[in-house]
Amino acid sequence: GNSVTQMEGPVTLSEEAFLTINCTYTATGYPSLFWYVQYPGEGLQLLLKATKADDKGSNKGFEATYRKETTSFHLEKGSVQVSDSAVYFCAFFTGGGNKLTFGTGTQLKVEL
Amino acid sequence: GAGVSQSPSNKVTEKGKDVELRCDPISGHTALYWYRQSLGQGLEFLIYFQGNSAPDKSGLPSDRFSAERTGGSVSTLTIQRTQQEDSAVYLCASSVDGQLNYFGAGTRLSVL
Repeated sequence: GNSVTQMEGPVTLSEEAFLTINCTYTATGYPSLFWYVQYPGEGLQLLLKATKADDKGSNKGFEATYRKETTSFHLEKGSVQVSDSAVYFCAFFTGGGNKLTFGTGTQLKVEL
Repeated sequence: GAGVSQSPSNKVTEKGKDVELRCDPISGHTALYWYRQSLGQGLEFLIYFQGNSAPDKSGLPSDRFSAERTGGSVSTLTIQRTQQEDSAVYLCASSVDGQLNYFGAGTRLSVL
């Protein structure tokens, strides 16, 4: 069935470190892929997306590339900040585009 | 309001009681979605509204769960005879173009 696998957290990094959060998916066809972020005390918000193979989504210094051959959509940032501390969710659209399938989320903690 | 608003933010109830959760979508958004976030699990799709009708309610976990939407705006998710396994954060999102940019901050339901 459809599923998303994310690396387990928490991930703890020092400020300015390089970030990678792995995400792989199992789906029929080529779904649109998304990363959502949930800051403490706030609702989820869309961080970036990619709709077809080899597309790169980017926002706020974060990037992720749609890799069809490895069914992956890993999230990266070159230099994290304390303000990036949040929970990150990988997701894709299924069911004719009416429902998102989410991963379990990866908590990121960035320390000074 | 500017975003998706959910109420109450927290709800503690006793097993067997009924609860109602409310979602106020972004003004003008025709589509509305309910998701559930359980501890240690990803977000789980519950139901999708387009206008006042629900073309996809496949995610509702049992017949104790129901939802309605009136006036193409506010939606209410009702859980009857609550069980401890219903404890979770219930999230709502709205959309005008099928892309879910923002979710509400959620209602944290605790069933004792």
